[in-house]
Amino acid sequence: QVQLQQWGAGLLKPSETLSLTCAVYGGSFSGYYWSWIRQPPGKGLEWIGEINHSGSTNYNPSLKSRVTISVDTSKNQFSLKLSSVTAADTAVYYCARGLKVTIFGVVIRYWFDPWGQGTLVTVSS
Amino acid sequence: QSALTQPRSVSGSPGQSVTISCTGTSSDVGGYNYVSWYQQHPGKAPKLMIYDVSKRPSGVPDRFSGSKSGNTASLTISGLQAEDEADYYCCSYAGSYRGVFGGGTKLTVL
Repeated sequence: QVQLQQWGAGLLKPSETLSLTCAVYGGSFSGYYWSWIRQPPGKGLEWIGEINHSGSTNYNPSLKSRVTISVDTSKNQFSLKLSSVTAADTAVYYCARGLKVTIFGVVIRYWFDPWGQGTLVTVSS
Repeated sequence: QSALTQPRSVSGSPGQSVTISCTGTSSDVGGYNYVSWYQQHPGKAPKLMIYDVSKRPSGVPDRFSGSKSGNTASLTISGLQAEDEADYYCCSYAGSYRGVFGGGTKLTVL
């Protein structure tokens, strides 16, 4: 059974860089894309981006200029960096297993399961 | 890429059925059979309830069902129970390896 555990700094000042890491336990790390999703307080979910074991990434166009997702296959971990944060980036950040494609790039799975426990990141001066 | 449109709230009495809609476009909901639904209780991570429009993961009660017509997907919960009270989010593949979520619907069990 795949489990995700995430961690990172929970309090940032404006203009700093958010940094979170998610570790994957059990199951296969390769073959899937691993996503970051966020949820501002009292609001809905927003997909941030994803990465696969080879380092191929896809990003939400609205955040692409500030987002970097990286992978460490030796540890079955992937990480999120979001630069130049503002109060609008205050949210609970989740990691999750998502997209799966064939070797030809055809999508054969698009849902998020399982999820990490979530990390509240607050941006405040 | 705009968020999918969901009603802000729905309600029903125990034992009744409720349906939550999720409206997108031909570029997301209408274009792919990759709609999923998530249940979120306060302070908890979302839980997958439906994937591929109408499939239920193991362990999800068959009271939960999904469907799609055109650019609108729907989640129906029959035989409402108190523990079904939660926020529900739809999600759709939107092409180019990107996804989009709905704004969420708060379900109140009266």
